[in-house]
Amino acid sequence: DAGVIQSPRHEVTEMGQEVTLRCKPISGHNSLFWYRQTMMRGLELLIYFNNNVPIDDSGMPEDRFSAKMPNASFSTLKIQPSEPRDSAVYFCASTPGTSYNEQFFGPGTRLTVL
Amino acid sequence: GQQVMQIPQYQHVQEGEDFTTYCNSSTTLSNIQWYKQRPGGHPVFLIQLVKSGEVKKQKRLTFQFGEAKKNSSLHITATQTTDVGTYFCARYNDYKLSFGAGTTVTVRA
Repeated sequence: DAGVIQSPRHEVTEMGQEVTLRCKPISGHNSLFWYRQTMMRGLELLIYFNNNVPIDDSGMPEDRFSAKMPNASFSTLKIQPSEPRDSAVYFCASTPGTSYNEQFFGPGTRLTVL
Repeated sequence: GQQVMQIPQYQHVQEGEDFTTYCNSSTTLSNIQWYKQRPGGHPVFLIQLVKSGEVKKQKRLTFQFGEAKKNSSLHITATQTTDVGTYFCARYNDYKLSFGAGTTVTVRA
């Protein structure tokens, strides 16, 4: 079975450019999470979707970040405009339920903003 | 927020030796999960503990949940090079999984 799929795996861009990260959760999972991982801040939850609806976006750093989930099999995280401090690994994870479930992480997107 | 604290931050282990990493909370935990992230990889679920005093084993890994449900530990026996990585504990607050800072393990052959 395919796990969580993320693309691209690596992204290098220049400051000010728009970046779009993509995620396909595991089929049948109705909860999706976007995380950011840095050395300084560890793993941070950015946003949580349940049944395609954003439930909690309190972790989104600022208005430059936005996320959508147009259907059960696809989500995007967009940064516009990007800044060097956005450089991090961004993970998408999905679970079959709403709480206390094992989270299945995708391979991540390593973003470098120059 | 309701965080979990992990100690030590780094663990350098001689191959074949045992070590333990700890996860502590100031508040009672409904459950605790452990994940492993290999260098360059993504977090992978290892186990979930729910009951007070619960002990679970996975080959050379032993996971324990404290009696007061405020702490947990991961003990690895006879460390191997395949054990290299960062081990995270994480707690659920409703739907949110809050991760500790992790213990990064390196192994000397």
